[in-house]
Amino acid sequence: AQTVTQSQPEMSVQEAETVTLSCTYDTSESDYYLFWYKQPPSRQMILVIRQEAYKQQNATENRFSVNFQKAAKSFSLKISDSQLGDAAMYFCAYRTTFLGGGADGLTFGKGTHLIIQP
Amino acid sequence: EAGVAQSPRYKIIEKRQSVAFWCNPISGHATLYWYQQILGQGPKLLIQFQNNGVVDDSQLPKDRFSAERLKGVDSTLKIQPAKLEDSAVYLCASSLLGLPPYEQYFGPGTRLTVT
Repeated sequence: AQTVTQSQPEMSVQEAETVTLSCTYDTSESDYYLFWYKQPPSRQMILVIRQEAYKQQNATENRFSVNFQKAAKSFSLKISDSQLGDAAMYFCAYRTTFLGGGADGLTFGKGTHLIIQP
Repeated sequence: EAGVAQSPRYKIIEKRQSVAFWCNPISGHATLYWYQQILGQGPKLLIQFQNNGVVDDSQLPKDRFSAERLKGVDSTLKIQPAKLEDSAVYLCASSLLGLPPYEQYFGPGTRLTVT
């Protein structure tokens, strides 16, 4: 079974600064997907960024980028130019790859609470 | 496009009572998931449906939890009887079947408090 570990329960960053959230995972699979989800206090989980394991290039989405180190099983999220609206719980998640139908529920870490200091 | 709908948003019950949650996925999404999110933890998958069939219910406490997805659209999750440790947010998510990028879209959740 896969496991996802987020070792930072809480992180704090000044507005406009850069912050990096850490995530490590354990799997015996060679192909899979990794995700970062954001959960604001309203609880609606929103996808921030995704990474396919077979792609060596790190994914980027505007101010959000990842550092994917497959050999180290590490998947960190970098938020540049932090904004007050970035304050939320951030969850790292793992999804297996399959062809056709099959179980593909996400395995989540415990989350990191990101605080933005004005 | 309308998102994943869930109701109720909040529910308070006493232990040993029963409760049901409802989920309406995004139109056209064949795959539906129920997750349990206990305070301070990440969501944990309870059950996954593909159309109206169960794909994965390995983490569903079947002695007290049940779920169904009639006609492959709406789904209900039931707890009977509830225990104190069932207090959590129950999240429903949906996704397109077998198509990248395999994104799961989440509903707002139902916060259950068992007293």
